[in-house]
Amino acid sequence: QSVLTQPPSVSGAPGQRVTISCTGSSSNIGAHYDVQWYQQLPGIAPKLLIFDDNNRPSGVPDRFSGSRSGTSASLAISGLQADDEADYYCQSYDSSLSARVFGGGTKLTVL
Amino acid sequence: QVQLQESGPGLVKPSQTLSLTCSVSGGSISRGNYYWSWIRQPAGKGLEWIGRISARGSTDYNPSLKSRVTIAVDTSKNQFSLKLTSVIAADTAVYYCVRDGQGDYYDSWGQGTLVTVSS
Repeated sequence: QSVLTQPPSVSGAPGQRVTISCTGSSSNIGAHYDVQWYQQLPGIAPKLLIFDDNNRPSGVPDRFSGSRSGTSASLAISGLQADDEADYYCQSYDSSLSARVFGGGTKLTVL
Repeated sequence: QVQLQESGPGLVKPSQTLSLTCSVSGGSISRGNYYWSWIRQPAGKGLEWIGRISARGSTDYNPSLKSRVTIAVDTSKNQFSLKLTSVIAADTAVYYCVRDGQGDYYDSWGQGTLVTVSS
């Protein structure tokens, strides 16, 4: 069981907006540790999508955005495209575990 | 742009030691305030942080694996390595070497290497 909780799956039609939640606790997201998001296309290594809560690396479209509130964070994807179909992971630091931690991952299906 | 490449045996027997090396190209492992990490992913499952090392040799390990893990760096070869002792079937996973960005995020990944623990 992951320290950060994500829904196993979300779906949306092309052009729609979807959000993926990442729920933590007072020892990770609630303690103001930064949240990152990664996209993993089938069969390849994850790719950094969002860092430091809401920053995009160069080359990541502004259709992807991150936010946080309290002990949770969210990834929003607008203008959904077929090649957004992938697994998405949130990541942060947990002070009680003294470890970098990941969410269990969310599979995005584009209908 | 920095590139990372894992290498090592794809099959390890139970109770033996898993050893992997990550070769870094496109930049010096000593340049910048980066850490260099190992992350693993069992088939069909999520990601697990194993540990990290700085170019100066400072390490942090996941407490759940700390008793079995050693990460080392060889700046002369621009490489860092992972040793995991007393492996069991549950250690079977794709192992990634990763650059740990200056904000505690993973901005460059190797392609990953599958290590299977089986007799």
